[in-house]
Parts: sequence; C-alpha cells; structure tokens
Amino acid sequence: QVQLVQSGAEVKKPGASVKVSCKASGYTFTSYDINWVRQATGQGLEWMGWMNPNSGNTGYAQKFQGRVTMTRNTSISTAYMELSSLRSEDTAVYYCARGWHDVDTAVYYFDYWGQGTLVTVSS
Amino acid sequence: QPVLTQPPSSSASPGESARLTCTLPSDINVGSYNIYWYQQKPGSPPRYLLYYYSDSDKGQGSGVPSRFSGSKDASANTGILLISGLQSEDEADYYCMIWPSNASGVFGGGTKLTVL
Repeated sequence: QVQLVQSGAEVKKPGASVKVSCKASGYTFTSYDINWVRQATGQGLEWMGWMNPNSGNTGYAQKFQGRVTMTRNTSISTAYMELSSLRSEDTAVYYCARGWHDVDTAVYYFDYWGQGTLVTVSS
Repeated sequence: QPVLTQPPSSSASPGESARLTCTLPSDINVGSYNIYWYQQKPGSPPRYLLYYYSDSDKGQGSGVPSRFSGSKDASANTGILLISGLQSEDEADYYCMIWPSNASGVFGGGTKLTVL
C-alpha cells in the first residue's frame, strides 16, 4: 500500500533552517510529484510547492520563493523540504502529499499524505 | 495568490444536507477551474474527497461516498460541496483548492462543519 512516512518533530531557533524528509513506499517514487503543505496550529492549509522526483524540477509558492528548497534522493525514495531563515510564524505541521495527475486532463490532486511533521520555531 | 473564501463554520443536523461554499475572487472565473475538496479531521492529515469542473467532468476520491458531491454557482463565482444525509462522522474541516496558474496551488481558508 502507498505510504508516505515523514521525519520526526523539530525544534529550531529563529534564523535557523529545517529539513523535513518524506519516505515513499508502495509505488514507483519517480512516477508522481511530491507536494508540501503546511498548517499552523488551528489554521488552514497552505500549499508550499511541488517537486517532480524524476526530473528534480520544482515549483514553489511565491510566498516561499528564496526560502524553500525541495529535493529528493531517488535511491531511497525520499523527498526533502528545507525551509531557511525560520521565524516564529513558520511554526506549523508540515505535510508531504503525493500529487496524482491525469495526463489527459488538468486534474491534479493530493491522493496520499504523510502523517505530518511539527516544526516549532522558538528562541 | 488569489484568496478563496470559505465560511469559517457551518452546521446541520444528522440526515440533513450541508452546502459548503468556496468563493473565488472576481478576477478568476469559477467556470474555468477544477474545484478540489479535502476533508480533515482533528489530528489527521487531509483526505481528498472529489473534484468538480462540470456535470460531465468530475471525479470522486477513492472510497468517498456518493453523499459527497460538487457543483458550481456561476452567478456567485462559487464552488460548492454538498454533503447529503449527514452523519456524525462528517464533522470535520473542509477545504477547497484550485490551481489558478500552472504549477501553483491555493487553498481556501476552510470551513468547520458541525453535525448537531
């Protein structure tokens, strides 16, 4: 079965960087995009960006341009999201999600999600 | 990034229907976009429910009951999630999403649905 298993909770100081991993199993890792979505406590979902694990191509939300980097290691079917220059407002649960797309249409949605990784930014 | 407006809360009784809305900004025509809907229960990641473009172009997520359906109100520039035959397990947060530009997505603020 498809699974996305994320790394554990992190506590970081303002100005630091965090790197969250997302290990995929149960499918061919390079066949589907990995997206990252975050959610501050009690708040809504915020899409951060996508990565094509086959090509390494990425696309980031404008808000995170210059601060986020999405990478992968295909040999271990793992995607990474690194966020730099952390501030308190970055405290949130970060989710990876597989992007399913219909090659013949514009349909694209997140069909499997990781369990989430809590990142706390505090001095 | 455009802002998708969802009412913060909604409520209905078991067995009734709930109509959740997602209003697009005036410069984005709802008729031109797939509207995606996700359900999230406390402590869990979101779950994909369905997408709706038109009555002839729509799709249900795997295992999602047919009680969940989508539609649009073009006059209000709004996407709609209709949940019929409400059950207590439908109590959750619901988010709409669109892809307003190629390779860039945006979620609505979410609606907390209470089943009375």
